[in-house]
Amino acid sequence: QSVLTQPPSASGTPGQRVTISCSGSSSNIGSNHVYWYQQLPGTAPKLLIYRNNQRPSGVPDRFSGSKSGTSASLAISGLRSEDEADYYCAAWDDSLSGPGVFGGGTKLTVL
Amino acid sequence: QITLKESGPTLVKPTQTLTLTCTFSGFSLSTSGVGVGWIRQPPGKALEWLALIYWNDDKRYSPSLKSRLTITKDTSKNQVVLTMTNMDPVDTATYYCALTYYYDPGWFDPWGQGTLVTVSS
Repeated sequence: QSVLTQPPSASGTPGQRVTISCSGSSSNIGSNHVYWYQQLPGTAPKLLIYRNNQRPSGVPDRFSGSKSGTSASLAISGLRSEDEADYYCAAWDDSLSGPGVFGGGTKLTVL
Repeated sequence: QITLKESGPTLVKPTQTLTLTCTFSGFSLSTSGVGVGWIRQPPGKALEWLALIYWNDDKRYSPSLKSRLTITKDTSKNQVVLTMTNMDPVDTATYYCALTYYYDPGWFDPWGQGTLVTVSS
């Protein structure tokens, strides 16, 4: 069981807007930044969103992140077939002395 | 261009010690604020942070694996080494290393291609 909770699956049709949620607690999301990673099939993860809502260079503005309290969301607008991937949220956790925590991942299917 | 690449054995026996090396280019681990982290992913499962090391030799370990992990750096060789003792079949996973930053601790990018380690007798 992951410290951060994500729905195991999500889906949408091309052009739609989908959101993926990530729920945590006061020691992680509630007091630290949230990061989102995209993992395309058979590849290494890639940073998609950092510091809750910032996009690294090269990430399309179709991807956006938000945070409120102890929850965060990733939104993908104008869904494309190439967005089909696993998405993970992550955050530092003040209650741990370790590196941080990931969510369990959400598999996004483009129908 | 920043690149990282993991290397090490693909098969280890239960109870053995795993040693993985992350060789990187395009940045220096002597630069203030820079770090390298290890993350693993069992087949079909989620990502799990293992350990981090920063430019100042500050080290962080997953609390659940801390007793089995050691992370070190060789700045002159641009390498970070992770050792994990007492390997078990549940440790079968793809192991990744990635660039991180002390002042942005959730940032892991770019990542290496990963190396699949199987634990089996």
